[in-house]
Amino acid sequence: QKEVEQDPGPLSVPEGAIVSLNCTYSNSAFQYFMWYRQYSRKGPELLMYTYSSGNKEDGRFTAQVDKSSKYISLFIRDSQPSDSATYLCAMSEGVGAGSYQLTFGKGTKLSVIP
Amino acid sequence: DAGVTQSPTHLIKTRGQHVTLRCSPISGHKSVSWYQQVLGQGPQFIFQYYEKEERGRGNFPDRFSARQFPNYSSELNVNALLLGDSALYLCASRRTGEASPLHFGNGTRLTVT
Repeated sequence: QKEVEQDPGPLSVPEGAIVSLNCTYSNSAFQYFMWYRQYSRKGPELLMYTYSSGNKEDGRFTAQVDKSSKYISLFIRDSQPSDSATYLCAMSEGVGAGSYQLTFGKGTKLSVIP
Repeated sequence: DAGVTQSPTHLIKTRGQHVTLRCSPISGHKSVSWYQQVLGQGPQFIFQYYEKEERGRGNFPDRFSARQFPNYSSELNVNALLLGDSALYLCASRRTGEASPLHFGNGTRLTVT
């Protein structure tokens, strides 16, 4: 079993739809949770960053963390064609022994159709 | 402020050759990390450097090495290239501090033929 599982999709939705992206993890030591967006031929761009259970909202994006279930979600409201990209969940245990490393899911490829 | 910059953007090498990839972190960021992203997969951790010292290493063979310079820029070196080394190599930087996230560059796309 991989440490982080993410449905790779692809996921295709009409413009204006609510999108739900999810990851599950097995390592209970993960403390920090991130969502990155990656456009084709670009590096990952940080969207959301949280370190506690519950919801965090930023504009059309809401990140949700449930540590008891080892489950994180990203919701995108009023999706736009410009949201078409691959969405990567990532997690870390924090700064242990001075080391900080992320474990990523495989990424979900999202297409928003006009 | 400029983001993380990487060079070159693309590179084609032959099996058995050696390659050096370069990275300049965001100004003020002292920690640099390297990740390998194979097509269709999420990035995999290779190295982290902080204050010129290696602070973490992923599950990669000794053919992979890196270093960080006094200005916090970094190089990733890969020897004896294999076809399987073809990937997008990402550099990321972060401020020190527990809650500081990683910021990535656009990567170097390496093709080994």
